[in-house]
Amino acid sequence: AQKITQTQPGMFVQEKEAVTLDCTYDTSDPSYGLFWYKQPSSGEMIFLIYQGSYDQQNATEGRYSLNFQKARKSANLVISASQLGDSAMYFCAMREGNTGGFKTIFGAGTRLFVKA
Amino acid sequence: DVKVTQSSRYLVKRTGEKVFLECVQDMDHENMFWYRQDPGLGLRLIYFSYDVKMKEKGDIPEGYSVSREKKERFSLILESASTNQTSMYLCASSAGGRNQPQHFGDGTRLSIL
Repeated sequence: AQKITQTQPGMFVQEKEAVTLDCTYDTSDPSYGLFWYKQPSSGEMIFLIYQGSYDQQNATEGRYSLNFQKARKSANLVISASQLGDSAMYFCAMREGNTGGFKTIFGAGTRLFVKA
Repeated sequence: DVKVTQSSRYLVKRTGEKVFLECVQDMDHENMFWYRQDPGLGLRLIYFSYDVKMKEKGDIPEGYSVSREKKERFSLILESASTNQTSMYLCASSAGGRNQPQHFGDGTRLSIL
């Protein structure tokens, strides 16, 4: 069965510093996708970044980058130059499947606190 | 912008009641999902659907059922509500394709008394 693990319930980072949020996954499907979402205190879920299992390059989107280590089954989110507005819950998610839909599961999340 | 609308923001029901949570998306997405979100547990997948009348169980389907009679609408049904189903329920949709992100509704905070 597929599984997502986020081992950091909470993280603190100083404003303007970089922070890495950990995510490991387990799947037997060679074809899968990995996503990161942000959930501010207001509750909405915001898509941040995607990495496909066959992608050769690590994904980047502005200040977000994904440190994808396929052999280790890890997909850590790196946020550079943290801002106060980055304080939120962050969820790692995995989607697998080729036909009949794409089951997508989430980790337990990491709450990030950015200090001024 | 994709809009995923959940019928209620807050809902209070009694144990044993049959509860319907409705979700509508306006982007013709093939895939729709129901999750419940609990502190420390993240989002847990209840059911998902990849086409009209098609449904697949997620990780915690017990006590729930779903209906997808039209492409834009995905309903979650609590057959006989229990207090352990008190939670935040999130609906999401996505286009076909493994790389397509999910778009979420605002959530329904359901309390079962």
